[in-house]
Amino acid sequence: QSVLTQPPSASGTPGQRVTISCSGSSSNIGSNYVHWYQQLPGTAPKLLIYRNHQRPSGVPDRFSGSKSGTSASLAISGLRSEDEADYYCAVWDDTLSGVFGGGTKLTVL
Amino acid sequence: EVQLVESGGGLVQPGGSLRLSCAASGFTSSDHHMDWVRQAPGKGLEWVGRTRDKVNSYTTEYAASVKGRFTISRDDSKNSLYLQMNSLKTEDTAVYYCVMVPLLWGQGTLVTVSS
Repeated sequence: QSVLTQPPSASGTPGQRVTISCSGSSSNIGSNYVHWYQQLPGTAPKLLIYRNHQRPSGVPDRFSGSKSGTSASLAISGLRSEDEADYYCAVWDDTLSGVFGGGTKLTVL
Repeated sequence: EVQLVESGGGLVQPGGSLRLSCAASGFTSSDHHMDWVRQAPGKGLEWVGRTRDKVNSYTTEYAASVKGRFTISRDDSKNSLYLQMNSLKTEDTAVYYCVMVPLLWGQGTLVTVSS
């Protein structure tokens, strides 16, 4: 049972916009930054969004993040086949630990 | 190039020990909190533990599932960190990643605990 709650799966067709949610509590999302990671099959997680909505260099602007209260979301617009991957939300608490969502498997139909 | 490279994984029997290494390059690891995260086969990500940065005296924290069995340490002269794993259990089988929180992940090293 993960501390952060994500839907186990999501899907969309090429060109569509897909949103993945991440729900937590006041002690994690409510008081810390949320980060999002993309994990392609057989590879390590890669940072997609940091500090709620910031994109690292090289991440397309098709990916965006937001946070409100104790929830966060990742939006992918202009869906592409190469976006098919597992997506994880994470909170790294500076004083204690890291917590993750259970992951969302995105399928591009 | 900024990167993390883990090594030391392998097959070990239940009750055995293993030491993982994580070599950092392109940045000074002592300036950053460094975590270990694991992923069991077909499962999600699980936080294992943390060593804080030099300013915070490299203090450590551990997940309840590994506390008392795993120990994180650093060697600044080698820009590296380590995960000493003792009393290993079959449920410790996973790919282990070191992470420069929250930005950079290594490629991972597989630990298999099996008789």
